[in-house]
Amino acid sequence: DVKVTQSSRYLVKRTGEKVFLECVQDMDHENMFWYRQDPGLGLRLIYFSYDVKMKEKGDIPEGYSVSREKKERFSLILESASTNQTSMYLCASSLGRFQTSRGHRDYGYTFGSGTRLTVV
Amino acid sequence: KNQVEQSPQSLIILEGKNCTLQCNYTVSPFSNLRWYKQDTGRGPVSLTIMTFSENTKSNGRYTATLDADTKQSSLHITASQLSDSASYICVVEGGYNKLIFGAGTRLAVHP
Repeated sequence: DVKVTQSSRYLVKRTGEKVFLECVQDMDHENMFWYRQDPGLGLRLIYFSYDVKMKEKGDIPEGYSVSREKKERFSLILESASTNQTSMYLCASSLGRFQTSRGHRDYGYTFGSGTRLTVV
Repeated sequence: KNQVEQSPQSLIILEGKNCTLQCNYTVSPFSNLRWYKQDTGRGPVSLTIMTFSENTKSNGRYTATLDADTKQSSLHITASQLSDSASYICVVEGGYNKLIFGAGTRLAVHP
């Protein structure tokens, strides 16, 4: 089973703090994603990465940065946390589009359990 | 504008009853449509994924349908159980592997 592990389930941070959210996947997936989820809104893409040291902005990258030094690990960084960044953060991983898993093309995404961040 | 709209926003049913959740989308180009189940405080878990040529797919008591002409999908839950209480999210993959998420339907199954 693919596992996507997020280091913290709950975090409380103060305004202005630098915050690191860590995500690790154990299935050698090429693609990794960071989303935030807010009530009444769908998941919104913050950043994604197709390969080590590669990163691409998603729909709402402002106030965030990412780091992917190793294939299995994708970190989300809040440079200076603000109260409007209070949210549920979800990490996901997937195979590259033309990779196969056991001979079957796999477009599936696997999500982590999420980190609920509160900025006070 | 690429959008995925789900209805109803929330739903309460009695254990053992059936229910149907709706998803309308305006995503182009269209690659596939997925349904996810998200338990409270957890990440989404995939239920089904359907490509353009598939119009129905089942996963146990969950059956998803897709009408690519009208750009509508539904998720039917049969003989609901208390463990079905969750949010159900419709997701459409468009061009460049971009996922467009619906806001979800929150289902509560009561004994």
